[in-house]
Parts: sequence; structure tokens; C-alpha cells
Amino acid sequence: DGGITQSPKYLFRKEGQNVTLSCEQNLNHDAMYWYRQDPGQGLRLIYYSQIVNDFQKGDIAEGYSVSREKKESFPLTVTSAQKNPTAFYLCASSPEQSNQPQHFGDGTRLSIL
Amino acid sequence: AQSVTQPDIHITVSEGASLELRCNYSYGATPYLFWYVQSPGQGLQLLLKYFSGDTLVQGIKGFEAEFKRSQSSFNLRKPSVHWSDAAEYFCAVGAFKAAGNKLTFGGGTRVLVKP
Repeated sequence: DGGITQSPKYLFRKEGQNVTLSCEQNLNHDAMYWYRQDPGQGLRLIYYSQIVNDFQKGDIAEGYSVSREKKESFPLTVTSAQKNPTAFYLCASSPEQSNQPQHFGDGTRLSIL
Repeated sequence: AQSVTQPDIHITVSEGASLELRCNYSYGATPYLFWYVQSPGQGLQLLLKYFSGDTLVQGIKGFEAEFKRSQSSFNLRKPSVHWSDAAEYFCAVGAFKAAGNKLTFGGGTRVLVKP
């Protein structure tokens, strides 16, 4: 079955350490997205990519970086510059055309040791 | 800029009772709208969507939603709630021809179901 795979499910980071969250999709979708979810705040867009080798900042990009070397993959790096990284991170994908729903992975919960 | 408001942070409903979740949006042009559901520790699952046409849309799990342009609302309803409907629900709005097919999400409504 097609879908979006996020790994790992749980991730722990030490202070000053960069960590990378994986997101892979086999839906043949052009667009991919990263969201951060905090209790009571809904989803906030970190980065998105409409096509391979191109991506744009979302609303809260500071302290994060991404790459899009393959259509199927959109990894997110949480850098040491992100001062409050503890959150639930969700990856999504959609066809590039507007009005199409986004499909979500099961998320990665990142915690600081 | 588009925005979405879900006025109710928590709603408690008895099993078998009806449920209505409110969603108000702000956008200058014609929006398209979604409702998603999230179980604890999981991703979001699409319940239903509205693009155009009939303003009453049916979704999965017995949910429906009504688009009211005059009220800028897209409320979600279910006639009889089951214990498995306990979850968090998100309304989202997008814009036709917007770059990147970006969505704006409301803050969510957590639904608790009493036996």
C-alpha cells in the first residue's frame, strides 16, 4: 500500500546536537511538507517542497533545514540553533496541484535529554 | 492571509449523542476546506473535503460537514458518536492556485466521549 513512512517514531537529542528525521513516500507525490505540532497550537509549517531540488521556508523555519534530492524523500534536520525542539513532527505529501488533500505520516516525537 | 479558528478546545459528549465541531475561516477568495482527525501519537487522517458544488459533504466514519459561505464556516457533524470517535479534530483551509498547495490549520478540538 502507498503511504508515508516517518522514522524513527521516538527520538532523543542532547543539547547542542543536530538530529535528522526521515520522511519517505511512495505515493508519487510532487509536494512534501514538514509540520511541527505542539499541544494546543495545531500544526505549523516548517518547510515545504514542490519539486526535487527545491524547497521553501514555512512559518517557523528558523533552526531547521531540509533537502529534497529525491522525489520520495524529504528529511528534516533539527539543528542546535533550534532552542525549543521538543515537539511532535509530522511529514505530509500531496500532488502538486492545488485543492488536493495532504496525506500524513505517523509522526516523530523528538525530546531533549 | 488566511486563518482558521476552531473556537472549542475541548468538547465532551456522551456516546450516542450528536456532535458538532465548529470551524471558521478567513480568506478573501474561494477556499477549499478539509477536516482531519488525529488519534493520540498518530498522524492525521482525512475525514472529508470541500472544493465546490454541494455545500453538504459526506465523509468517512459517518461524518458530514456543511460549507456556509455567508458565515465563513465549515462545521463538522456526526449524528451519533461512538467511543472510537474520541480524538482530536483539525479543520484546514487552502487556496486555489496557491503556491505549494499550502494549508492553514486550526488549533484543533479534542473530543472526549463519555460512556
